[in-house]
Amino acid sequence: SQTIHQWPATLVQPVGSPLSLECTVEGTSNPNLYWYRQAAGRGLQLLFYSVGIGQISSEVPQNLSASRPQDRQFILSSKKLLLSDSGFYLCAWSGLAKETQYFGPGTRLLVL
Amino acid sequence: AQSVTQLDSQVPVFEEAPVELRCNYSSSVSVYLFWYVQYPNQGLQLLLKYLSGSTLVKGINGFEAEFNKSQTSFHLRKPSVHISDTAEYFCAVSEVGNTGKLIFGQGTTLQVKP
Repeated sequence: SQTIHQWPATLVQPVGSPLSLECTVEGTSNPNLYWYRQAAGRGLQLLFYSVGIGQISSEVPQNLSASRPQDRQFILSSKKLLLSDSGFYLCAWSGLAKETQYFGPGTRLLVL
Repeated sequence: AQSVTQLDSQVPVFEEAPVELRCNYSSSVSVYLFWYVQYPNQGLQLLLKYLSGSTLVKGINGFEAEFNKSQTSFHLRKPSVHISDTAEYFCAVSEVGNTGKLIFGQGTTLQVKP
């Protein structure tokens, strides 16, 4: 069966520091991968998605970037964090049919 | 472009009572429809989905939802709730044949009281 991992689970970072969040999927090949952010009191917003290694599409202009160095690895990064980057970051995967997305446990980021 | 409206931000209900969480969507193309549940400090778990076929879909934990194309609705129901159903519920849509991008509603907090 497929599983999706995210780490770290929780992160507290100062403003202006860099960020790297990692997501990995097991038990499937060539998944579509997605990064969402859930800000406090708001719904989920798609940040990036990837249909293959090195292929990244950005949904909203922001302080963040994403990379996919391996088939089942998706990384969310920032060079300098802003207070507004605080939130709950969720990674998701879907199969080739892209019909259904399955979510990881999430990373809670607090920028102080 | 698609949009999703969850009509109730909070739904308080007593244990063993029935519940309905409402979801309406807007789209000019065919969509897939989903309900996800989120327990505190956890990721989203898929409850059920409508891709095609029967408009009444059954999911995990005794939940079901009915796709109504004419009313563009996908309401979630459970005939008898438990304390453990207390969570945040999200309705979402994605465009058929596209990138799989999910558009989420703002969420409904289900509060089950003893």
